Amino acid sequence: EADIYQTPRYLVIGTGKKITLECSQTMGHDKMYWYQQDPGMELHLIHYSYGVNSTEKGDLSSESTVSRIRTEHFPLTLESARPSHTSQYLCASSDVAVEKLFFGSGTQLSVL
Amino acid sequence: GENVEQHPSTLSVQEGDSAVIKCTYSDSASNYFPWYKQELGKGPQLIIDIRSNVGEKKDQRIAVTLNKTAKHFSLHITETQPEDSAVYFCAASRDNAGNMLTFGGGTRLMVKP
Repeated sequence: EADIYQTPRYLVIGTGKKITLECSQTMGHDKMYWYQQDPGMELHLIHYSYGVNSTEKGDLSSESTVSRIRTEHFPLTLESARPSHTSQYLCASSDVAVEKLFFGSGTQLSVL
Repeated sequence: GENVEQHPSTLSVQEGDSAVIKCTYSDSASNYFPWYKQELGKGPQLIIDIRSNVGEKKDQRIAVTLNKTAKHFSLHITETQPEDSAVYFCAASRDNAGNMLTFGGGTRLMVKP
């Protein structure tokens, strides 16, 4: 069973609010990822990290930002949420030498 | 970059029947092909993977086949059960630590009891 946790599980907020989605893993993995999943199911990579102090933008442009100060923690922040940010956000991690991704259960974000 | 196409987007089968999901990829250098299953309310989970040095891999009721010449690979589920109902994703990547998986668009499989 994957030891990767996302909080909150569900979040409903108003436009303009600043939010942080939390992601933590206890597997010691160096690589971590954030995916945005639209209602049509498709997974879009928005951020990834190879290790502490490393962050990169993914294939899908996103107004969110990430940080990687500790190996186990990879939070995602939206400075000013908008309805267009409404989506499911999935965090994942992997060992550098192995391609297998471990996913968290996701955060369903709704911006009103 | 890599592009992965997945079909069908939805698939409905009767319990006990077989289900087949197909994917094509564009990068001939890709050599790692995993399949992920996403159950309702959960994140995707790896169920089987195959590398380009083999043409087929089986694990109980699921199997994956790979045709490198045609650049396509398929997931086969036999004797489907209601608990197989989920969204399935194929993916492809080059086999080194720096490369990212490229996912297909997903297939929603519904197994009717």
